[in-house]
Amino acid sequence: AQSVSQHNHHVILSEAASLELGCNYSYGGTVNLFWYVQYPGQHLQLLLKYFSGDPLVKGIKGFEAEFIKSKFSFNLRKPSVQWSDTAEYFCAVKKKSSGDKLTFGTGTRLAVRP
Amino acid sequence: DAGVTQSPTHLIKTRGQQVTLRCSPKSGHDTVSWYQQALGQGPQFIFQYYEEEERQRGNFPDRFSGHQFPNYSSELNVNALLLGDSALYLCASSFLSGGTDTQYFGPGTRLTVL
Repeated sequence: AQSVSQHNHHVILSEAASLELGCNYSYGGTVNLFWYVQYPGQHLQLLLKYFSGDPLVKGIKGFEAEFIKSKFSFNLRKPSVQWSDTAEYFCAVKKKSSGDKLTFGTGTRLAVRP
Repeated sequence: DAGVTQSPTHLIKTRGQQVTLRCSPKSGHDTVSWYQQALGQGPQFIFQYYEEEERQRGNFPDRFSGHQFPNYSSELNVNALLLGDSALYLCASSFLSGGTDTQYFGPGTRLTVL
């Protein structure tokens, strides 16, 4: 069965610290990869996505992610976090041969201290 | 540009009852997917509707059914509610005809089963 792992369940950082959230998936084949963010009281929003091409993708609000096919990973990064980045972050994977369903990780709750 | 909308926002039901949740897709989108997000978990795919037919289904029992209307809006129906059905139900829309794989999420309906 498909699975998506986010190993960091809770992360606490101070403002200006660097962020890296891990995401690993457990199957081969062609995949599309996504990071979604859920700010407190708001709905899931797309941060960035990877379909093909340059494995380093840039998203909104200074976030980026790197697809490493050999490691089945799609880690999210930001060089300097802000208090407003406090949110829950979800990695999601779509396997091309499995239609359009997204398989999500369990999420990482990020708290940024001012 | 109207995003994905869902109604109602919150709902409280008792075991054994039936519930209907509604979703209007983002303007220009033709496909609706439904997800269940239990507390502390990532969203889990229920099913997807396109051209008024169920196109793909996740591992959910037949108590979960849906419908898509000619205007692309959709309903999720759950029969014989169980306590375990308490969750946030998310609707996501995409533009399958346009080859857009990105799903955009609504704010969700919080269902509580007592």
